[in-house]
Amino acid sequence: DQQVKQNSPSLSVQEGRISILNCDYTNSMFDYFLWYKKYPAEGPTFLISISSIKDKNEDGRFTVFLNKSAKHLSLHIVPSQPGDSAVYFCAASATGNQFYFGTGTSLTVIP
Amino acid sequence: DSGVTQTPKHLITATGQRVTLRCSPRSGDLSVYWYQQSLDQGLQFLIQYYNGEERAKGNILERFSAQQFPDLHSELNLSSLELGDSALYFCASSPGWTQETQYFGPGTRLLVL
Repeated sequence: DQQVKQNSPSLSVQEGRISILNCDYTNSMFDYFLWYKKYPAEGPTFLISISSIKDKNEDGRFTVFLNKSAKHLSLHIVPSQPGDSAVYFCAASATGNQFYFGTGTSLTVIP
Repeated sequence: DSGVTQTPKHLITATGQRVTLRCSPRSGDLSVYWYQQSLDQGLQFLIQYYNGEERAKGNILERFSAQQFPDLHSELNLSSLELGDSALYFCASSPGWTQETQYFGPGTRLLVL
């Protein structure tokens, strides 16, 4: 069973516009969430995290929003740049437990 | 560069064979995690070691085993390989043992023919 879902396999956005990547989870015990970015032939790279005590965390052009009641989180990239083109994974865990990863969303930023 | 190294980068082998994948964590990290990524799949957690001891187990097959050595490097052993074992295998490390950012290596691409 897939406890973390990224329902959009791909997303295309014009350079300079906002990219919004979505992630849904089913386990209400999840209290810590991560986003990773992955380029081809490389391992995932940590991007940003959020714990369940917050509903927003911002780091430069990247903002993660958490809606606990909807069991939904999203990653906003503003403004999007061609170098942001990559696969983005969200991951979630409950205290003391493993991380569950989504299947990823491939973002293409068009110059 | 995450500081996590994995060898080999690529591995081609035949069904029924056994292979060993190696991972060296970042300096100072005590936890090592192994993940499998098959085509169009997310990262599936296999197993975690913390300071030499098995800490958590995920969807790891009985044909697979892992260990972490005193110098903290880890090996993932895959035996009686099947075509479906073809995948990317990632190792990650973190300083502690729970709920913190994991730093991933570049992965080993395994192809079973």
